Amino acid sequence: GAVVSQHPSRVICKSGTSVKIECRSLDFQATTMFWYRQFPKQSLMLMATSNEGSKATYEQGVEKDKFLINHASLTLSTLTVTSAHPEDSSFYICSATALAGLTDTQYFGPGTRLTVL
Amino acid sequence: GDSVTQMEGPVTLSEEAFLTINCTYTATGYPSLFWYVQYPGEGLQLLLKATKADDKGSNKGFEATYRKETTSFHLEKGSVQVSDSAVYFCALSAGGYQKVTFGTGTKLQVIP
Repeated sequence: GAVVSQHPSRVICKSGTSVKIECRSLDFQATTMFWYRQFPKQSLMLMATSNEGSKATYEQGVEKDKFLINHASLTLSTLTVTSAHPEDSSFYICSATALAGLTDTQYFGPGTRLTVL
Repeated sequence: GDSVTQMEGPVTLSEEAFLTINCTYTATGYPSLFWYVQYPGEGLQLLLKATKADDKGSNKGFEATYRKETTSFHLEKGSVQVSDSAVYFCALSAGGYQKVTFGTGTKLQVIP
């Protein structure tokens, strides 16, 4: 149980275009989803926290107008990188926590490798 | 603020060797502690967790004990395999909205 999927797994786009990444909880309802960014050989950096039906909370230094997050349902959150540039190239990982119970365990998606040319 | 400190890698071991990856933390209150593993090109998988002092998390031969007195959560395995080669992240979760703080990760390479 507690499976989180991401789509696409890899995406290559041209500079200036927008890219949408989906994060889905497959077998549970997620009250909260998190978006992380991971640079090569580095740890995960939390970008934002999203709760279903409300605006995302962004971490300091993360541009909310560039990284648009939508959490429209209890099983889906999307991250849209707008007007992507090469410096946005990174590994983006989402995670989700379950609605039921008081668990504080996050379940991670497999990640999306974004390359901006 | 909360923080997690892990031993720097990479750690290179021969198959069947004993593994220890040190992790210490700083947090207010009583956080939950986690070890996550990341295989090449993949996302993170929860390896084990402990939610209170003296709890021992275990999975796939890996163990870690929540030591409040030393604020530590060291990861151990008695006999590593080549398939254990991955990056291991120590993490903590504290606070009402479950924000997780990660360590920098320790790369483990097991050679035959």
